[in-house]
Amino acid sequence: NAGVTQTPKFQVLKTGQSMTLQCAQDMNHNSMYWYRQDPGMGLRLIYYSASEGTTDKGEVPNGYNVSRLNKREFSLRLESAAPSQTSVYFCASSELVRAVSGANVLTFGAGSRLTVL
Amino acid sequence: AQSVSQHNHHVILSEAASLELGCNYSYGGTVNLFWYVQYPGQHLQLLLKYFSGDPLVKGIKGFEAEFIKSKFSFNLRKPSVQWSDTAEYFCAVGNTGGFKTIFGAGTRLFVKA
Repeated sequence: NAGVTQTPKFQVLKTGQSMTLQCAQDMNHNSMYWYRQDPGMGLRLIYYSASEGTTDKGEVPNGYNVSRLNKREFSLRLESAAPSQTSVYFCASSELVRAVSGANVLTFGAGSRLTVL
Repeated sequence: AQSVSQHNHHVILSEAASLELGCNYSYGGTVNLFWYVQYPGQHLQLLLKYFSGDPLVKGIKGFEAEFIKSKFSFNLRKPSVQWSDTAEYFCAVGNTGGFKTIFGAGTRLFVKA
């Protein structure tokens, strides 16, 4: 049981280049997320997909696009990378554990470390 | 907007010392509260959660947290830390509807053997 798998684990880009981070989960979760982690700032939500066919902006969506390819896969695209996007990116999926309060427990991938020069 | 504040960014303790990590949040509605932990080289994982009921919740590895509604706080505690507790700890708040889980900045704990 792999859980949440992200690729690549490491990537170095030059300013202006584009790339896509891939994420897949095998837990049959409905919801998927992309976060970025920066020192002293914790994890910030970039985009999420509550269910297959839907995507919504999080706290810091600018400069990113996402695609929910199917129930398993949720990709994050940087169209024109900037040094400010140097970060560690985490994909997560969630199961609804308490319908009354809409509580989702997140399962995270290992992270993708991106450096933009 | 929701926000989560963790009081300490770095904590250094000796083994067997007691631990309390502070967490305050700002959100007016019903919240779901979490502590996640990231051990060196490992994935972020759930440590414990609170949805309703008994405000003192217990998690894995002897950790517990207390929800104090009047103080908008959800502090993490452990009576006696071990070297293996060295990790980064994140407090998180999910709104009702649950898709936007907001994280605090994290606290790096180092336990000296």
